[in-house]
Amino acid sequence: GENVEQHPSTLSVQEGDSAVIKCTYSDSASNYFPWYKQELGKGPQLIIDIRSNVGEKKDQRIAVTLNKTAKHFSLHITETQPEDSAVYFCAAIPPPSTDKLIFGTGTRLQVFP
Amino acid sequence: DTGVSQDPRHKITKRGQNVTFRCDPISEHNRLYWYRQTLGQGPEFLTYFQNEAQLEKSRLLSDRFSAERPKGSFSTLEIQRTEQGDSAMYLCASLQGSDGAIEQYFGPGTRLTVT
Repeated sequence: GENVEQHPSTLSVQEGDSAVIKCTYSDSASNYFPWYKQELGKGPQLIIDIRSNVGEKKDQRIAVTLNKTAKHFSLHITETQPEDSAVYFCAAIPPPSTDKLIFGTGTRLQVFP
Repeated sequence: DTGVSQDPRHKITKRGQNVTFRCDPISEHNRLYWYRQTLGQGPEFLTYFQNEAQLEKSRLLSDRFSAERPKGSFSTLEIQRTEQGDSAMYLCASLQGSDGAIEQYFGPGTRLTVT
């Protein structure tokens, strides 16, 4: 079955710097890759997603890139702010399922003022 | 706030007791999902509903677990004879299920502690 690996497990950056989180997946047929942000005591919040027919997607300070050949995708956060501090999860949906999200193990991002 | 609500937010129970959680999805969403999240891990899929029909169940969902969505709106997840290994955050998510929408929106979760 699909396996999603996520690195690094923790990431500390200075406010204003960029942060990059990387994920790899095993099933080449996977075609949807969302990123979730989870703050303490809350459920995961969808922040950006990408489908397999697109190589990059941006939304203000966040962007996701997808390399289908290498089976990896990355989250890029620019101009980080303390409120970006949270745990970030990548996920994938492997066929034949169109619904079952397979999550990575998470990255704890700390942004220091 | 995504519009998905869960109740209760926290539940402490003794081993062997039964517990039931409720999820209210976003009103126009016809798909509803249950996930379990243990400390330091990503959520793991348990089961999902299309309207009132339960379409897929994970191997994680043992016979002690049962989920229902009787009228295609809210859903309940019951755990019978709880064990300490059931301690986790139980998350509900919903999805519109039409026009190619596949974005899942999560509720705040119910944190279960089995003592």
